[in-house]
Amino acid sequence: QVTLRESGPALVKPTQTLTLTCTFSGFSLSTTGMCLSWIRQSPGKAPEWLALVDWEDDKNYRTSLKTRLTISKDTSKNQVVLTMTNVDPVDTGTYYCARGLWAGMDVWGQGTTVTVSS
Amino acid sequence: DIVMTQTPLSSPVTLGQPASISCRSSESLVHSDGKTYLSWLQQRPGQPPRLLIYKISNRFSGVPDRFSGSGAGTDFTLKISRVEAEDVGVYYCMQTTQFPLAFGQGTKLEIK
Repeated sequence: QVTLRESGPALVKPTQTLTLTCTFSGFSLSTTGMCLSWIRQSPGKAPEWLALVDWEDDKNYRTSLKTRLTISKDTSKNQVVLTMTNVDPVDTGTYYCARGLWAGMDVWGQGTTVTVSS
Repeated sequence: DIVMTQTPLSSPVTLGQPASISCRSSESLVHSDGKTYLSWLQQRPGQPPRLLIYKISNRFSGVPDRFSGSGAGTDFTLKISRVEAEDVGVYYCMQTTQFPLAFGQGTKLEIK
């Protein structure tokens, strides 16, 4: 059974760095074709794709956030970490990790809610 | 960056009647490998999005056959042949042909 679980702080202060971890099971990110993304969603808004790491450790980022985001994987721990620097209240929302790319995002975590506030 | 535009933004539908959602991309979604990576997701209230359709018209495992996808190039459609109460939610198209990946703004399906 494939599962994804997001974890991280519920509250961060403006200008701080946010670190989120996606812990997964049931598949290996070393398998050819495997990809994992971070996606966020503000209340009442559409999801926004943020970043993706693939089985070859290639990384891609949302254009507007490229300078603030870093995605990394630890294959031995079955984890993918997203860091976002210099957070702002507009970064408040639910952050999801999701598996897949060409055959769609087929498995999603339940999400972790992050509030940016002083 | 590719922009995905959905219409309508809201769709009131009578139970048992069909529903249709359109999605248009600002550029062709045909990949250099010849395939088109357009998917549809459903999000019920309080839940993460759920994959319904991938590569335009392929139903994901467990998705009822009343859901179907069609289209090509820049214009795509999701159809529900007979809407059921459990279909209430927001539907998103998503392109995974080119980075950065992008979602449509969503279509809220509600029962009349």
